[in-house]
Amino acid sequence: DAGVIQSPRHEVTEMGQEVTLRCKPISGHNSLFWYRQTMMRGLELLIYFNNNVPIDDSGMPEDRFSAKMPNASFSTLKIQPSEPRDSAVYFCASSFDNRPSTEAFFGQGTRLTVV
Amino acid sequence: QQQVKQSPQSLIVQKGGISIINCAYENTAFDYFPWYQQFPGKGPALLIAIRPDVSEKKEGRFTISFNKSAKQFSLHIMDSQPGDSATYFCAATFSNSGYALNFGKGTSLLVTP
Repeated sequence: DAGVIQSPRHEVTEMGQEVTLRCKPISGHNSLFWYRQTMMRGLELLIYFNNNVPIDDSGMPEDRFSAKMPNASFSTLKIQPSEPRDSAVYFCASSFDNRPSTEAFFGQGTRLTVV
Repeated sequence: QQQVKQSPQSLIVQKGGISIINCAYENTAFDYFPWYQQFPGKGPALLIAIRPDVSEKKEGRFTISFNKSAKQFSLHIMDSQPGDSATYFCAATFSNSGYALNFGKGTSLLVTP
């Protein structure tokens, strides 16, 4: 398996534009997580899905952020409209069966720059 | 609010030395404590993990020490190597959260030759 695949790897956009980040989890994994990494706040959980259903979105910063998981092999994180403070590295991670001993595998991240 | 506090923020160790990173938590519901290693431009990757029913876990040069009463845990890297230079994150999680990870802010480790 190629691991968790995120696209794009880098995104530069202008303030006010819509941004869509994409994630393909590892086949067979049934939990998917979106994290955001910044120097100031570190790694923060934004939302997680279990069996394609959003379980906890309390980390989503505001209504400008939305996430979907239409099927077991694809998820998107959308920011509309984007703002400079959204600049960060966004990671998608997946794991199997919600067990603690099950490793969460991270993608390589999408570095988002909003100018 | 940061649920897991990590220190130091950065650490420089000579090759062959011991690297020690400390973490503390408040939520007693946490029941799984992994450490992740991140290299520049990469996503975090699981290094080693422990559950609170044991006080120590060792895998090769990496050891987690866990003190349940003090709500603290630490990572020890023995015989540190330049290839260990990376950012290390402690984390904590529990079943009711779907085992979503609460990360510390990270420690940037540099091992000098």
